[in-house]
Amino acid sequence: QQQVRQSSQSLTVWEGETAILNCSYENSAFDYFPWYQQFPGEGPALLIAIRSVSDKKEDGRFTIFFNKREKNLSLHIKDSQPGDSATYFCAASGAGGYKVVFGSGTRLLVSP
Amino acid sequence: NAGVIQTPRHKVTGKGQEATLWCEPISGHSAVFWYRQTIVQGLEFLTYFRNQAPIDDSGMPKERFSAQMPNQSHSTLKIQSTQPQDSAVYLCASSHNANTEVFFGKGTRLTVV
Repeated sequence: QQQVRQSSQSLTVWEGETAILNCSYENSAFDYFPWYQQFPGEGPALLIAIRSVSDKKEDGRFTIFFNKREKNLSLHIKDSQPGDSATYFCAASGAGGYKVVFGSGTRLLVSP
Repeated sequence: NAGVIQTPRHKVTGKGQEATLWCEPISGHSAVFWYRQTIVQGLEFLTYFRNQAPIDDSGMPKERFSAQMPNQSHSTLKIQSTQPQDSAVYLCASSHNANTEVFFGKGTRLTVV
């Protein structure tokens, strides 16, 4: 049973476009939703995160939109750059919980 | 701060041999996690420790896999009688508190031939 789902295995956008990566979850107890970015040969690294009390979190070109009622969220990458090409993991954890559950990842390719 | 350190970075074992993977978490972090990453399964949770105590090993295969944290500065993941399907990147991670950033190491790529 996959608790966190990412709808696309891969996504290709042109440089300068907005990339949109979608994620949904099942467990209503989840209240912390980080997105991790992974480059080949590296471990995942935290990119941006949102807590369930918010519906939007922005950090530079990266924005999370969160819909608690629908149990989904999305990561928007504005003005995508070739350096953004990586695998992006949506993740979730519950109140007071340490364990983080990851989605299967979306491989983003930004073409120049 | 060197981050989470995993050794070795690459390990090749013959089928049936034992493999031990090492992890040094970030100093002061109370939680240590082990994940397995493959193309097919993605990032799979294996187990985690909090303050060196095993808390949740629900992702660990019941046979052949074991994890320990003998002190706050290192954890090991041991795989006995390795099989080709154990080939994966094993990632160790640590965090300071609940619902805070989890820091990953670069992983150990295990290849069972």
